[in-house]
Amino acid sequence: GAVVSQHPSWVICKSGTSVKIECRSLDFQATTMFWYRQFPKQSLMLMATSNEGSKATYEQGVEKDKFLINHASLTLSTLTVTSAHPEDSSFYICSARDVGQGNYNEQFFGPGTRLTVL
Amino acid sequence: AQSVTQLDSQVPVFEEAPVELRCNYSSSVSVYLFWYVQYPNQGLQLLLKYLSGSTLVKGINGFEAEFNKSQTSFHLRKPSVHISDTAEYFCAVSSFGDYKLSFGAGTTVTVRA
Repeated sequence: GAVVSQHPSWVICKSGTSVKIECRSLDFQATTMFWYRQFPKQSLMLMATSNEGSKATYEQGVEKDKFLINHASLTLSTLTVTSAHPEDSSFYICSARDVGQGNYNEQFFGPGTRLTVL
Repeated sequence: AQSVTQLDSQVPVFEEAPVELRCNYSSSVSVYLFWYVQYPNQGLQLLLKYLSGSTLVKGINGFEAEFNKSQTSFHLRKPSVHISDTAEYFCAVSSFGDYKLSFGAGTTVTVRA
């Protein structure tokens, strides 16, 4: 149980285009999902907290107009990178918090999405 | 706010030898502690977590960690590693009531035959 999927697993796009990444909790409901960014050989940096039915909370320094987050249901959050540029190339990972008993403080991570902007 | 320091960026180790990955944290409030493993081009998998109770926590794949409140540490250990343990390991912390995770910089473990 507690599986999180991401789609696509990798994407290549041209500079200036927008890319949408989906994060789904497959077997549990997630009122809260998190989006991280990871550069090569580096740690995960939290970009934003996505709450179902409300606006996302962005970390300091993250452009909310560039990284649009929508959490329309208890099992789906999307991250849209708008007008992508090469510097946006990165590994994007989502996680979901299962509020079911026994998993209250645990986040389950998706497999990640590799974005390459040409 | 909390922060995590992983004291070793790279740890080479021979197969069947023991390994210890060090993690220290700082926080002004009580915390939850986690160790995650990341294989190349994959997401993170939880190895173990400390929420409360016994300070010695056992996880998957033979890993264990000990929470030491006085030293604000949560070191990860495995008595005998396998080639398949080659991966990146991340220590993470979250504060009570705040479910955001703060990650350490990671430790690369390379197991050699």
